[in-house]
Amino acid sequence: EAGVVQSPRYKIIEKKQPVAFWCNPISGHNTLYWYLQNLGQGPELLIRYENEEAVDDSQLPKDRFSAERLKGVDSTLKIQPAELGDSAVYLCASSLAFGSEDTGELFFGEGSRLTVL
Amino acid sequence: GESVGLHLPTLSVQEGDNSIINCAYSNSASDYFIWYKQESGKGPQFIIDIRSNMDKRQGQRVTVLLNKTVKHLSLQIAATQPGDSAVYFCAEFTSGTYKYIFGTGTRLKVLA
Repeated sequence: EAGVVQSPRYKIIEKKQPVAFWCNPISGHNTLYWYLQNLGQGPELLIRYENEEAVDDSQLPKDRFSAERLKGVDSTLKIQPAELGDSAVYLCASSLAFGSEDTGELFFGEGSRLTVL
Repeated sequence: GESVGLHLPTLSVQEGDNSIINCAYSNSASDYFIWYKQESGKGPQFIIDIRSNMDKRQGQRVTVLLNKTVKHLSLQIAATQPGDSAVYFCAEFTSGTYKYIFGTGTRLKVLA
């Protein structure tokens, strides 16, 4: 079974430019997360989806960040305009409805590393 | 606020020895505590989790211990191998708020 797929793996842009990241979760996983990870830090939640509904976007900087999950499967995360401080790894994760498998496991993609110059 | 933290940022262990990675948490209402391993350039990978009503859980070469009295979580790796070199994160999940919070991370270095 394929894991969580993210693209692009690497992206270098100049500040004020837009950027978009794409995520394809594991088939059948209703819950999808976007996390931001700075070097040496743990992932920080940006947004969580249950199917197509964003149920927790409290940590998403809505002035420049947006996300969507059309049809409750793939998701995109967009930054416009990007700032120097946005340089980080953007991780996508998915899971079954929590507790349904009696496990705390999130399945992560390999991440998209963004460098803003 | 709520936080999950680690005592040691870097741990160096001789190959074949046992490793112990520690974590402190602050939310006594958390239901699950989870350990992840992250290798360079990859996403975090689930290792093992433990429910809040348990004290110990064992997996293959790994054991997680939970001490709710002092809000402490540990990951023990038996017979540490070079492939165990990575950054390890603890995380906690609270079903009431559906918050899944990660700690800062500990880098494990296995010495040959």
